[in-house]
Amino acid sequence: RKEVEQDPGPFNVPEGATVAFNCTYSNSASQSFFWYRQDCRKEPKLLMSVYSSGNEDGRFTAQLNRASQYISLLIRDSKLSDSATYLCVVNIRGYGKLTFGQGTILTVHP
Amino acid sequence: NAGVTQTPKFQVLKTGQSMTLQCAQDMNHNSMYWYRQDPGMGLRLIYYSASEGTTDKGEVPNGYNVSRLNKREFSLRLESAAPSQTSVYFCASSGSGIDTEAFFGQGTRLTVV
Repeated sequence: RKEVEQDPGPFNVPEGATVAFNCTYSNSASQSFFWYRQDCRKEPKLLMSVYSSGNEDGRFTAQLNRASQYISLLIRDSKLSDSATYLCVVNIRGYGKLTFGQGTILTVHP
Repeated sequence: NAGVTQTPKFQVLKTGQSMTLQCAQDMNHNSMYWYRQDPGMGLRLIYYSASEGTTDKGEVPNGYNVSRLNKREFSLRLESAAPSQTSVYFCASSGSGIDTEAFFGQGTRLTVV
């Protein structure tokens, strides 16, 4: 079983839609969690960290469920510019390295 | 404000040739990583280094060697390139804290023919 798993999609949604991505992780020692965004043929960049209490940044909301070992990303009022691959990332306590999911492809169309 | 710098950006190799991908960061980060990215496979960790002088294998280390020359630099070497190593390679670095963000270089697009 992969350490971090995501639904690869692709998700095709119209502008203005709300879309949610989930990610599961297998190691209960996972300590910190992130969502990264990757545009086509570019390097990944941090979108937001994910905290136990949940956090929001504008149209983006991230949630963490430690009991079920999954994190989620909700995008409201989708824009064309949100089209990208979204990567779930975990940092496992004591290992000092970041592990990436395979990414979820989002396409927002007019 | 360079961040993470990778060279080269593009490379074509013949099967059996060797090459070294260079990576340097100027953020005083302890941790550095090499990933490869193939279509539909996401980012897979090749090697990482938690600090100067230490390296550890990741998910797909076969066919690669690394060297953490100092705190700034982390190089990836292909001793005998194979077509299966055609990929996009990313170097990244992060600080020591558990909540630290990782910063990536722009990637190296390698084709082995």
